[in-house]
Amino acid sequence: GQNIDQPTEMTATEGAIVQINCTYQTSGFNGLFWYQQHAGEAPTFLSYNVLDGLEEKGRFSSFLSRSKGYSYLLLKELQMKDSASYLCAIMDSNYQLIWGAGTKLIIKP
Amino acid sequence: GAGVSQSPRYKVAKRGQDVALRCDPISGHVSLFWYQQALGQGPEFLTYFQNEAQLDKSGLPSDRFFAERPEGSVSTLKIQRTQQEDSAVYLCASSLERGRAYNEQFFGPGTRLTVL
Repeated sequence: GQNIDQPTEMTATEGAIVQINCTYQTSGFNGLFWYQQHAGEAPTFLSYNVLDGLEEKGRFSSFLSRSKGYSYLLLKELQMKDSASYLCAIMDSNYQLIWGAGTKLIIKP
Repeated sequence: GAGVSQSPRYKVAKRGQDVALRCDPISGHVSLFWYQQALGQGPEFLTYFQNEAQLDKSGLPSDRFFAERPEGSVSTLKIQRTQQEDSAVYLCASSLERGRAYNEQFFGPGTRLTVL
């Protein structure tokens, strides 16, 4: 079966760093996506990893280990506007996105 | 703007009523996806179009759900005889082309359907 696991909720402090983990088991792998979703809004694209390693984009970085079925999203210099849900999604062998339930990130001053 | 738009943004229906949800994808995007998102969950795939062809409808939960994209641009998701369990946010997304590993999907704002 297909399974994507990520923590339900995390809390962090403004200005700090937070790491959101995602583990997966899917039928085939054509890449891993991270999306950000503010409450009541559409998901917006953050990052894409298909090869092992770290992809850095400003304050956000995403890491992938295909052999371990593991990824993380690293957010640095947290801002209040980063309070949102962060969704991990795998593109399977049919090029279909399989989504995790999302991690709700709460930023405190 | 040039993003994906959906209408209506909010829909309240009485149980048993039929509803139609509209999606206008980004111009030129070949692929169009419909997802259902329950509160506190990630999106669940419903169906996929490549131009006007519905290539995958494996995620449609029952035969009460029907989607079309007759001219390869605007798409409509229709739900017949709505039930309370149909209450969710229905998201539409478009992308340039499926079958490519790097294929960012652009999402519309969603339609929040509440069935009473």
